[in-house]
Amino acid sequence: GAVVSQHPSRVICKSGTSVKIECRSLDFQATTMFWYRQFPKKSLMLMATSNEGSKATYEQGVEKDKFLINHASLTLSTLTVTSAHPEDSSFYICSARARGEGWSNQPQHFGDGTRLSIL
Amino acid sequence: AQTVTQSQPEMSVQEAETVTLSCTYDTSESDYYLFWYKQPPSRQMILVIRQEAYKQQNATENRFSVNFQKAAKSFSLKISDSQLGDAAMYFCAYRSNDYKLSFGAGTTVTVRA
Repeated sequence: GAVVSQHPSRVICKSGTSVKIECRSLDFQATTMFWYRQFPKKSLMLMATSNEGSKATYEQGVEKDKFLINHASLTLSTLTVTSAHPEDSSFYICSARARGEGWSNQPQHFGDGTRLSIL
Repeated sequence: AQTVTQSQPEMSVQEAETVTLSCTYDTSESDYYLFWYKQPPSRQMILVIRQEAYKQQNATENRFSVNFQKAAKSFSLKISDSQLGDAAMYFCAYRSNDYKLSFGAGTTVTVRA
């Protein structure tokens, strides 16, 4: 149980285009989803937290207008990289907290990540 | 965000031997959770072990165990009987009351056959 599907797994696109990454909880309702960015051989950096039906909360230094996050339902959150440039190339990972887990020892449920390459 | 420090960028271990990865963190909270994640080349995040701060007993999962020293804010991971499949990047993570995770820089573990 607690499967998170992230799509696409790999995307290559031209500079200036917008790219949408989807994060779906397949067998549970995700009240909160998290978006991380990871550079090669580096740590995961939290970009933003999204709660279903409300605006995302961005971490300091993350451009809201560049990285649009939508959490319209309890099973889907999307990250749109707008007007992407080569410096936006990275590995993006989502994770989710299931409804009912609350303050528990249950870990976040991670997607398999998306490798974004901007040419 | 809490600061999580992993001071060992790389560690190498002989197959069947034991390796210990260090992790320290900084926090003023009394209740929190600590995790170790494994990230193989596929980059999938795999939970290795978790520890509740209010529990004094160190967590154990098969060949993986932790040494949790709350006063010292230390949370090391011991991998016993290392196997080739253990080769990966390992991240220590702190989960605060707002459910956010703060990750350390990671330690790359290489297993020698």
